[in-house]
Amino acid sequence: KAGVTQTPRYLIKTRGQQVTLSCSPISGHRSVSWYQQTPGQGLQFLFEYFSETQRNKGNFPGRFSGRQFSNSRSEMNVSTLELGDSALYLCASSLGPFAEQFFGPGTRLTVL
Amino acid sequence: SQQGEEDPQALSIQEGENATMNCSYKTSINNLQWYRQNSGRGLVHLILIRSNEREKHSGRLRVTLDTSKKSSSLLITASRAADTASYFCATDANFGNEKLTFGTGTRLTIIP
Repeated sequence: KAGVTQTPRYLIKTRGQQVTLSCSPISGHRSVSWYQQTPGQGLQFLFEYFSETQRNKGNFPGRFSGRQFSNSRSEMNVSTLELGDSALYLCASSLGPFAEQFFGPGTRLTVL
Repeated sequence: SQQGEEDPQALSIQEGENATMNCSYKTSINNLQWYRQNSGRGLVHLILIRSNEREKHSGRLRVTLDTSKKSSSLLITASRAADTASYFCATDANFGNEKLTFGTGTRLTIIP
């Protein structure tokens, strides 16, 4: 069974631009969560989707948004990029509530 | 914000020795999970322990959970060079959602 895949793996953008990251969960998993990892703040929860509905959201500004499609694939979007958005963005999928979450390899975003 | 702290922040041991790292958390939980992350890459799920469990084994890994002290420990026996990585604990709070809150991580270095 294929694992969680994320595209692209690396991305370089400039301040003010926007970016869209994609995540394909493990087949059969309906829950997708997104996390941001930085050296200063560690791993921070962004949001979680289940059956195309956002069920939970972390403490991030409105520039960070996401969605989930009917095939459970998910995208997150960051608008008006800031230098501080440079991070590793990780996506995780799971079967459902309180099951193991399996992570993708991440997308490394660099904002110049 | 981080759910809790991991201790120690960094640990260096000789290959073949056992490694123990600890995690503390703040709120009531459903589950606690341990993950491994190799430098700047995705998280690999190691083990999940439920709040009604006290100990769990998986290969060379042994996890304990003390809900009265809000703490967990991960023991890696007979360490190998390939175990060099950062180790994170993550909890899902008992609030009915799947948000994972991560600890600060322990950087483990195995010296050949």
